[in-house]
Amino acid sequence: GAVVSQHPSRVICKSGTSVKIECRSLDFQATTMFWYRQFPKKSLMLMATSNEGSKATYEQGVEKDKFLINHASLTLSTLTVTSAHPEDSSFYICSARTVLLAGAGANVLTFGAGSRLTVL
Amino acid sequence: AQSVTQLGSHVSVSEGALVLLRCNYSSSVPPYLFWYVQYPNQGLQLLLKYTTGATLVKGINGFEAEFKKSETSFHLTKPSAHMSDAAEYFCAVSVDNFNKFYFGSGTKLNVKP
Repeated sequence: GAVVSQHPSRVICKSGTSVKIECRSLDFQATTMFWYRQFPKKSLMLMATSNEGSKATYEQGVEKDKFLINHASLTLSTLTVTSAHPEDSSFYICSARTVLLAGAGANVLTFGAGSRLTVL
Repeated sequence: AQSVTQLGSHVSVSEGALVLLRCNYSSSVPPYLFWYVQYPNQGLQLLLKYTTGATLVKGINGFEAEFKKSETSFHLTKPSAHMSDAAEYFCAVSVDNFNKFYFGSGTKLNVKP
């Protein structure tokens, strides 16, 4: 089945530094990937939709200069949190839409295991 | 605008009892509906989905959900809870030809021995 690998699973950084999170589709091509942020006791908040070879589409209220998304290949999307601050601490989850798989696997989101960012 | 409402942030059942997790949606277009499960410190896993066809959908681990258009609901059920079902469950709606996915706030299921 479809597998999405997300790395790192945990990262701690100092305020002001930048952190990059990688999201890879291991056994399928993902033309579209999604980045979510999960707050404690709250739902997943869609941050942006990442399309291979084009600029990401950000949801309203998400700072595109703060959260840089790059989708350079059909199997890799990256999220860079620039100049991170403590309020950026959160659980970030990527997902990929399985368009090309057939049957029950088509058009569902496959999620990475998430990355917990702690900014000191 | 699309939204997903999950009634009850926490549900507690005894092992062997019926599980019922509620999900209501609002959508200006016919939605595609999903249930995902999240175990601690893990990503979300697909339980089941409704796109077209039969409104009663069966998923993994004995879960099923029924799409009721008149009630704008997609409640998740399992006849008999197992300890391993303890997790957080998310209902989601997809629109725009699967280009957008929106999630409910989640329901944490606790299963008591």
